[in-house]
Amino acid sequence: NAGVMQNPRHLVRRRGQEARLRCSPMKGHSHVYWYRQLPEEGLKFMVYLQKENIIDESGMPKERFSAEFPKEGPSILRIQQVVRGDSAAYFCASSPVPTHKGYYGYTFGSGTRLTVV
Amino acid sequence: AQSVAQPEDQVNVAEGNPLTVKCTYSVSGNPYLFWYVQYPNRGLQFLLKYITGDNLVKGSYGFEAEFNKSQTSFHLKKPSALVSDSALYFCAVRANSGAGSYQLTFGKGTKLSVIP
Repeated sequence: NAGVMQNPRHLVRRRGQEARLRCSPMKGHSHVYWYRQLPEEGLKFMVYLQKENIIDESGMPKERFSAEFPKEGPSILRIQQVVRGDSAAYFCASSPVPTHKGYYGYTFGSGTRLTVV
Repeated sequence: AQSVAQPEDQVNVAEGNPLTVKCTYSVSGNPYLFWYVQYPNRGLQFLLKYITGDNLVKGSYGFEAEFNKSQTSFHLKKPSALVSDSALYFCAVRANSGAGSYQLTFGKGTKLSVIP
């Protein structure tokens, strides 16, 4: 029973390139959450998605960042025209039902470490 | 808005001694509280959670945490530290209801070093 799978584990991009981060939730989980961990910081909420639906993207930067969770396939966090400040670890988590309806926590993946050079 | 404070950036403890990693929180309503551990270049591993009931919560690897509502604290403890406990520890909180209650708010983390 695989956990939350994120790939790639490490991603290096030059300034101005696009970064695509993938997250496959646990089997049976249809709710996905993305968090970002900047160096020396805790994790910050970015976006909450259900399949084909963005529920809350209040933590996403207004420009260059987008997320999707299609009916088939993994959730994708896309960063266009990356800058040095985007260098961080990006974590995905999933849950089987909305966590505000009684499921208390969620399972995190191992993260994607993005380095912008 | 909810928040978490971990007042110590680093905690050093000798192997075999008890350890405490401090956490205080602020949230509207009743909290759900969590501790996670992160090893270098790894993801977050769940240690324990407080939802309701007994204020003393027992978790993985011999860790426990005590929920103190009056002090809004949720300190992580272990009676006897191991060198392998050396890692980064995060406290997190979310509200048990209301808009945005699915969002976990994390502290900045406390680096625990257990000295042989």
